[in-house]
Amino acid sequence: AQSVTQPDIHITVSEGASLELRCNYSYGATPYLFWYVQSPGQGLQLLLKYFSGDTLVQGIKGFEAEFKRSQSSFNLRKPSVHWSDAAEYFCAVGDESNTGKLIFGQGTTLQVKP
Amino acid sequence: GAVVSQHPSWVICKSGTSVKIECRSLDFQATTMFWYRQFPKQSLMLMATSNEGSKATYEQGVEKDKFLINHASLTLSTLTVTSAHPEDSSFYICSARVQGPGPQHFGDGTRLSIL
Repeated sequence: AQSVTQPDIHITVSEGASLELRCNYSYGATPYLFWYVQSPGQGLQLLLKYFSGDTLVQGIKGFEAEFKRSQSSFNLRKPSVHWSDAAEYFCAVGDESNTGKLIFGQGTTLQVKP
Repeated sequence: GAVVSQHPSWVICKSGTSVKIECRSLDFQATTMFWYRQFPKQSLMLMATSNEGSKATYEQGVEKDKFLINHASLTLSTLTVTSAHPEDSSFYICSARVQGPGPQHFGDGTRLSIL
């Protein structure tokens, strides 16, 4: 069965430091991959997506992610974190039967220290 | 673009009443809409998938008579929680997507509190 794993439940970084959030997935073919961010009490905002092509994808708010097929990973990165980046981050993969459903990871809570 | 509006954002009601939540795609036509439930500090739990003009497909364990979903047009889906009880209190989020591969676009969620 498809699954998405975000190994880090909680991450704390200092403002201005670099960030990497990990995401591993299980999928038979080339997956559709997504990163979403959720601020407290809000819905999810799409940061970036990967369907095909260039394995390094750029997103909004200075985020990028790299698709590595050999590692079944789609890690999210940002070179310099801002206090406003503190939120919950979800990695998701589109389901194999192409129903449009998303399989979500458990989420990673990002805390930013001043 | 790809804005999804969810209303209301917050509702409190008495046990036994029914509550309707609306989900609208404002600037695109959504062939498919999804309804999720999210418990505190947890990921999203898919409740059902709705396609315009057809019956919703519910995930295993979700009571279809408790959570009524209607997708009357390409821009509107509604979730009605019938005879709500305190255990139905939660954060409900909808999302919408166009046909074909693509992301889901999410509403801002509805905080439902049943007293």
